[in-house]
Amino acid sequence: EPEVTQTPSHQVTQMGQEVILRCVPISNHLYFYWYRQILGQKVEFLVSFYNNEISEKSEIFDDQFSVERPDGSNFTLKIRSTKLEDSAMYFCASILEGLGEQYFGPGTRLTVT
Amino acid sequence: AQSVSQHNHHVILSEAASLELGCNYSYGGTVNLFWYVQYPGQHLQLLLKYFSGDPLVKGIKGFEAEFIKSKFSFNLRKPSVQWSDTAEYFCAVREDSSYKLIFGSGTRLLVRP
Repeated sequence: EPEVTQTPSHQVTQMGQEVILRCVPISNHLYFYWYRQILGQKVEFLVSFYNNEISEKSEIFDDQFSVERPDGSNFTLKIRSTKLEDSAMYFCASILEGLGEQYFGPGTRLTVT
Repeated sequence: AQSVSQHNHHVILSEAASLELGCNYSYGGTVNLFWYVQYPGQHLQLLLKYFSGDPLVKGIKGFEAEFIKSKFSFNLRKPSVQWSDTAEYFCAVREDSSYKLIFGSGTRLLVRP
């Protein structure tokens, strides 16, 4: 069964460094998402992406964050200058079409020290 | 702001006991409703969803949920739990004007053999 994959599974970085989290959505899916879950808190929506542009973003998704689909298969989340509070599990998701089921990846645990 | 509430944060049951997990949401318009499950060490998987029609929906692994519009609720049920149901369960809502999911805080279920 097709699945969403994410790399790395765990990333440790120092405060102020840039990180790029990578996702490979299911190949024929058209809508892509990033969510995050800070330890002990809710899963929170960050951004949705369709047709090579951001379709919706949350208040969390400020100028420090950006997303890109550089090559038609990968979907990346970049954090330019990480803060301690960016430590969280980051989930990528994809959907074939807008009202379908969101398929989630296994997540990348980001630890900012 | 729209929100999803899961009132039970931790539930402990013995095998064969019945399960009901509460989920309430605050949004007056049309919504799609979901229950996701996260088994230990695994990613979020869809248990069931409600878009329209029969408010009693059946999902995988014997789970079902009932949408009660007047109560803004979408409670998850299973008549007889198994040890393998030990996991974290998330209720999520999607508004008709958006493609993002809004998650509840999750309920950790522990089923004792």
